[in-house]
This record gives sequence, structure tokens and C-alpha cells, in this order.
Amino acid sequence: DAGVIQSPRHEVTEMGQEVTLRCKPISGHNSLFWYRQTMMRGLELLIYFNNNVPIDDSGMPEDRFSAKMPNASFSTLKIQPSEPRDSAVYFCASSFGGNSPLHFGNGTRLTVT
Amino acid sequence: GQQLNQSPQSMFIQEGEDVSMNCTSSSIFNTWLWYKQDPGEGPVLLIALYKAGELTSNGRLTAQFGITRKDSFLNISASIPSDVGIYFCAGFSGGSNYKLTFGKGTLLTVNP
Repeated sequence: DAGVIQSPRHEVTEMGQEVTLRCKPISGHNSLFWYRQTMMRGLELLIYFNNNVPIDDSGMPEDRFSAKMPNASFSTLKIQPSEPRDSAVYFCASSFGGNSPLHFGNGTRLTVT
Repeated sequence: GQQLNQSPQSMFIQEGEDVSMNCTSSSIFNTWLWYKQDPGEGPVLLIALYKAGELTSNGRLTAQFGITRKDSFLNISASIPSDVGIYFCAGFSGGSNYKLTFGKGTLLTVNP
């Protein structure tokens, strides 16, 4: 079974550049989540979607961050312009919704220099 | 927001020893999940708990949903080197907003 697929696995970019992270959830899952993981703050929920609709984006750090889910099989997280403090591992996860367990992708390690 | 206090932060044990870690919260959770994360990978679900008092096993792993619904523990018996990793507790607090809150993790090191 294909799990949650994220791309790219690694991204190195310069400050000020636009970064787009991509995610393909598990087929049949109707909820999709974007998390950020850092040593200092652990796993933080940025935004989640239910049936392609953003439900809670209160974790999005600031206006430089945006997320879209144009259809049930694809989502993007965009950072524009990127800053060094955005360096982290970004995870996408999906689930059947409600309190069903989340299944995570292997993340995108973002480094902004 | 919701917070989960996970302890210990790290553990160094010898192969064959048993391990116990736990999570507590000041508020009630209606679902507890335990995940393991290996380096360079995403968290992988180990055990899911849905009812207060529930005790569930997955091989050498056993987890319990506390009666007060404010805590959960994970035990690993007869540890082996591949148990090394970061273990996270996570919980859903219910209501209409299904946000999964994570603990800060327990880093487990197993010495062969």
C-alpha cells in the first residue's frame, strides 16, 4: 500500500526564495494535515483540511505561509518569501477524519540559508 | 492550547530491559495514540486507544488509556536495539475540531 508521499525529501534554498512542498495523501483518506518539526518546538500542527476544505489554519506562522488542497489527492504548502527560521522538517499526514489515527509521510527537510 | 507532558525526555537502557514512558495532560482526551519516529522518517503509529481504562498490546509493546482520561503510558518489554528511536504520545481532545496534539517525545537508546 502506498503511504503518504511527500516531495521533495530535501530542499535547500536561499532566504527570500519561494518554496513549495507537495503531498499526496493515502487514497480514501478525507483529512490532510501539515506539521512542522523542530528540536525546540517539537511537532506543531500548521493547518488541516477536511474534504479538501481548510478547517483550522491557526498554526500557520504568518502570511508567508499558505496551503492549498485543490483535490482529494494533492496538497501544497508554500512559503514565500522563505526565511532561515523556517528551516525545519515539514510533515504531511492523512486520516479518515474524526479521531482516526494520522498516517505520516517521510517529511521534507527544508534548509533556508 | 492543549498540552501533553511526556516523560522521560530520554532513556538509556541495556538490551533486554523493560521500558516505561508516560504522558499526562491537564485536560481530558478521548483518544490516545503512540507513535515511533526513526531518523529521517515520519512518525509511525504503534498503538491507538479509544476508551478509558483500555489496555492494548502490539507485540512487546503495551499501552493503556488512563481511567481519568488525562494520561496514558507505553511499556516496551525485553528491549532490543531496533527499539531505538523517538516515541511520541498524541491525543485528540474531542469536540468538533479534530486537532491531534503531540507530546515532546521520549528518546530511547538501547545499548546492545
